[in-house]
Amino acid sequence: AQSVTQLGSHVSVSEGALVLLRCNYSSSVPPYLFWYVQYPNQGLQLLLKYTSAATLVKGINGFEAEFKKSETSFHLTKPSAHMSDAAEYFCAVSDFGDTGRRALTFGSGTRLQVQP
Amino acid sequence: DTAVSQTPKYLVTQMGNDKSIKCEQNLGHDTMYWYKQDSKKFLKIMFSYNNKELIINETVPNRFSPKSPDKAHLNLHINSLELGDSAVYFCASSRTRDSNSPLHFGNGTRLTVT
Repeated sequence: AQSVTQLGSHVSVSEGALVLLRCNYSSSVPPYLFWYVQYPNQGLQLLLKYTSAATLVKGINGFEAEFKKSETSFHLTKPSAHMSDAAEYFCAVSDFGDTGRRALTFGSGTRLQVQP
Repeated sequence: DTAVSQTPKYLVTQMGNDKSIKCEQNLGHDTMYWYKQDSKKFLKIMFSYNNKELIINETVPNRFSPKSPDKAHLNLHINSLELGDSAVYFCASSRTRDSNSPLHFGNGTRLTVT
């Protein structure tokens, strides 16, 4: 089974500063990787996904992530944080088991705070 | 125009009761899921259906029983509720069961068992 680790349960940045949220995965086969965002009292929304087409993936709201196989990482970045970016962010990896079933495995989440 | 809708949004009940959560998606997706999010925000897959067929059934107590009357609906029935069942339950759907098909989530049902 595949797994994903998000380093840092809380990240705080100033408005306008760089956002960097870390995600590392373990996989014996090429994975599919996703970043989702969860605003308070809402469900998760897809930010971006990596499916082997390009290592640098651009998503919504100015976010992007780079797949680095050598580092088994898929870190999420945004050049300039906005107050509206404050939310919980989840990294996720696909897991296609021997029985052919599919399950998306989520990391433990990183709460992003943006200070004015 | 809500894509994945689940009801109720909040559910407060006592131990031992039986309750149901309903989910509907109007996206025309083939696959639907139930996820459980605990108090530490950890998300865990519970069940998945593809065109009304159960394809994922994680280690969940058999007090939890999903039902999919058609591919647009996936309901969750819970018998004999326990304190540990308190969590936020999310319904989700995806266009296909393929590993690269993103999930679309509902807004969750916060279950509190007292």
